[in-house]
Amino acid sequence: AQSVTQPDIHITVSEGASLELRCNYSYGATPYLFWYVQSPGQGLQLLLKYFSGDTLVQGIKGFEAEFKRSQSSFNLRKPSVHWSDAAEYFCAVPSGGSQGNLIFGKGTKLSVKP
Amino acid sequence: DTAVSQTPKYLVTQMGNDKSIKCEQNLGHDTMYWYKQDSKKFLKIMFSYNNKELIINETVPNRFSPKSPDKAHLNLHINSLELGDSAVYFCASSPPAGGRTDTQYFGPGTRLTVL
Repeated sequence: AQSVTQPDIHITVSEGASLELRCNYSYGATPYLFWYVQSPGQGLQLLLKYFSGDTLVQGIKGFEAEFKRSQSSFNLRKPSVHWSDAAEYFCAVPSGGSQGNLIFGKGTKLSVKP
Repeated sequence: DTAVSQTPKYLVTQMGNDKSIKCEQNLGHDTMYWYKQDSKKFLKIMFSYNNKELIINETVPNRFSPKSPDKAHLNLHINSLELGDSAVYFCASSPPAGGRTDTQYFGPGTRLTVL
C-alpha cells in the first residue's frame, strides 16, 4: 500500500538559514509526489509537485524538491528561510487506483528563529 | 473568486446535535473530497465524489453523510455529534484526469468543536 513518512515532527531553523524537510514514500510504481504547506489557521496550499521528467522540481515561495528514486525520497529544500515560512509541511502521494485521494505524511512543523 | 470555499469556518456545538458543513468549488472540477485533520494534524480522507457519485467511503461512521447536489458542491452532514468528531474538516477538489493524480485544491477548513 502507498504510504508517506516524514521522519521529523518539528524542526527549528534560524531565519536566513537553509532548510531541508525529509519525505520518504512507499509506492508501487513511479510515484506522483506533492508537498503542501499549511500556515497557522489556514488551509493547505500546494508548494510543488512531481509527476515525471526533471527530478528537481521548483515550486512557489522559493521552495524546491528533489525526487530520488534510489532513496525513495522527495525532500523539500529552501536555501534561505523567512519568518513567514513557519508552518506545517505535508508530503503526499496519491492512494492509487481510481480513487484519486491523497495519502499524507504526518507533517513537519517548521519554526523559524529570528 | 475563491476557488474552494467552505462554510462555516468555525462551528461550536453540543454533543448529540446535528450539523452541516458546506463546500463549493468554482474550478469546474469533477471530483471533490472531504478530509479530516485531527488534533495531531494528521490528515485522512473521508469521502470522495466524482460527478456527484460516491467513489470513496473510508471507515467513517454512518453518522457522517455527504451530499452532492451538483458537481460544484459537496456538503457534509453529521448526525448525533460526539466529542471525537472535534477536528478540522477540509474540502478539496481536483480536475478530471486519466490517472486521477492531479493536484488537489483545498478549502480553508472548518474547525468543528463538540462540547
